[in-house]
Amino acid sequence: GESVGLHLPTLSVQEGDNSIINCAYSNSASDYFIWYKQESGKGPQFIIDIRSNMDKRQGQRVTVLLNKTVKHLSLQIAATQPGDSAVYFCAEMVGGSEKLVFGKGMKLTVNP
Amino acid sequence: DVKVTQSSRYLVKRTGEKVFLECVQDMDHENMFWYRQDPGLGLRLIYFSYDVKMKEKGDIPEGYSVSREKKERFSLILESASTNQTSMYLCASSFRGRVYNEQFFGPGTRLTVL
Repeated sequence: GESVGLHLPTLSVQEGDNSIINCAYSNSASDYFIWYKQESGKGPQFIIDIRSNMDKRQGQRVTVLLNKTVKHLSLQIAATQPGDSAVYFCAEMVGGSEKLVFGKGMKLTVNP
Repeated sequence: DVKVTQSSRYLVKRTGEKVFLECVQDMDHENMFWYRQDPGLGLRLIYFSYDVKMKEKGDIPEGYSVSREKKERFSLILESASTNQTSMYLCASSFRGRVYNEQFFGPGTRLTVL
């Protein structure tokens, strides 16, 4: 909701720039990862996912990179637009658990 | 399109009241979840259900119970609401056992307990 962005690290970018949002995940047994976007007053919305047998996956204007060696996940947004302003969460799942563990999130602000 | 709906967007209750939050999904998902979201704490899992009448405690189940009598509906119950249960409550659902297994979220219920 409206308070989701409080207490979060913030990334500010100019419209048209590329954005990179990083996430360190906690469990080396995790084999599935998701990025979610949450706009003010709404529930989280799926952006892109990746399994641990891949190190890169691309969608429309978004790319997810996975580095299992250092347990690091990143979301790249190309040509960032004002509509991309939101809080972004990474989430991880250990195989077979069916449950996601969410990161704290990062607030992206796009300046026109 | 997957649709997860929650019964209320905003709810105000008094301390000690019994509160029901309802969630319905239309995608025949086996799994359903209840989370609460608080500033600085992210999303925390309260309860998880992987089938009708089946449930599993999440990370913060104290003060909550759940009910899943039908596959499409998952209810969160606050037996006696307290002020520290003021929060945003999010319901989600997913298929079970898929290789790519994203959870789909509802719009959330902002609960205030006075």
